Amino acid sequence: GENVEQHPSTLSVQEGDSAVIKCTYSDSASNYFPWYKQELGKRPQLIIDIRSNVGEKKDQRIAVTLNKTAKHFSLHITETQPEDSAVYFCAAPQTGANNLFFGTGTRLTVIP
Amino acid sequence: EAGVTQSPTHLIKTRGQQATLRCSPISGHTSVYWYQQALGLGLQFLLWYDEGEERNRGNFPPRFSGRQFPNYSSELNVNALELEDSALYLCASSFGLLDWYFGAGTRLSVL
Repeated sequence: GENVEQHPSTLSVQEGDSAVIKCTYSDSASNYFPWYKQELGKRPQLIIDIRSNVGEKKDQRIAVTLNKTAKHFSLHITETQPEDSAVYFCAAPQTGANNLFFGTGTRLTVIP
Repeated sequence: EAGVTQSPTHLIKTRGQQATLRCSPISGHTSVYWYQQALGLGLQFLLWYDEGEERNRGNFPPRFSGRQFPNYSSELNVNALELEDSALYLCASSFGLLDWYFGAGTRLSVL
């Protein structure tokens, strides 16, 4: 099955700085990598995803990069704002299935 | 368009009882997934239902079970509740692999 590792577990940045969260996966056949943001007391929400046929995808201040050879993908948040503070989860699908395996989460704190 | 809805919001049970949690997917979504999120921890995969069938289950004991109805809504049943079953139970739906959306969850407390 798939195994997803996520680092760091906590991350504090000054407002306006960039934040980078990294994940590795084990199944080379995985082809879809979403990122979710979970604010305190709320449901996880999809913020960006990438498929294995592209190396990078950007949506305003958020970008995701994928390195299939190394089997890792990263979330980049630029010009961080206090409202970016949340727990971020990466995920990858189980081999031959639609269910996702999630990383252990990164608690991002943006200091005003 | 309505999102994924879960009920109840909160559920309090005592050890040994049974709990039933419900989930209604987004219209058009045929897959429903159940996850357990213990306090401060990550998302642990429980069950995946698609087209009325259980397609996959995570590393949980058999007392965690469920079903999916013809209208694609789903039920999660937890029998013989234990204290460590206290957690937020999240349901998600999708059509195929993409565009997963989560419900707001049911917080189960076992006393």
